[in-house]
Amino acid sequence: DAKTTQPNSMESNEEEPVHLPCNHSTISGTDYIHWYRQLPSQGPEYVIHGLTSNVNNRMASLAIAEDRKSSTLILHRATLRDAAVYYCILRDYYGGSQGNLIFGKGTKLSVKP
Amino acid sequence: DAEITQSPRHKITETGRQVTLACHQTWNHNNMFWYRQDLGHGLRLIHYSYGVQDTNKGEVSDGYSVSRSNTEDLPLTLESAASSQTSVYFCASSESGQWTSGNPEDDTQYFGPGTRLTVL
Repeated sequence: DAKTTQPNSMESNEEEPVHLPCNHSTISGTDYIHWYRQLPSQGPEYVIHGLTSNVNNRMASLAIAEDRKSSTLILHRATLRDAAVYYCILRDYYGGSQGNLIFGKGTKLSVKP
Repeated sequence: DAEITQSPRHKITETGRQVTLACHQTWNHNNMFWYRQDLGHGLRLIHYSYGVQDTNKGEVSDGYSVSRSNTEDLPLTLESAASSQTSVYFCASSESGQWTSGNPEDDTQYFGPGTRLTVL
């Protein structure tokens, strides 16, 4: 699976939007982009995933660049509960690939009241 | 509701002792995983299983073993605990089998709450 690059940390104010970037310049055409987050003292949890089109769910939105070399996780109104480490992960599903999620160091998001 | 649980949540042991961490999931998932998390290293894969009687080594498997005798459980054993194995351990499961179905939803991993292990 291709590698991703994320900033080590970001800060946000409560109730403001947050844009968490992820670069994946070596992404292949069959790599899906997954985001997980890890709240303090908890296990990681799934947030969202996408392939080419922008995606929305109840937790967040995922904006994918047209060339797919980067993506942005968008939290529309950050809350204190969104303070976590956010991981951007690529997964290849072409031909039924065997393998596992590879977690990098992620971006630590701090939310100020 | 389906869930994944780990026990114990906290464990202190001595160097050289055998320790087993339990992981139990009621999702009926095929895949189960063990990770360890240390400051500065993020999550690293220890062992994983694609189904009953199947086990595979991950990135940091030395000193650890697993066995899968049923769908619900994947216990992690530290044969002879070392101080370097002091860490937080997370278990996870996902629906897809050894070969992914091609559906990313099947590959979503659900994590347990973690076990904090201290080896003195």
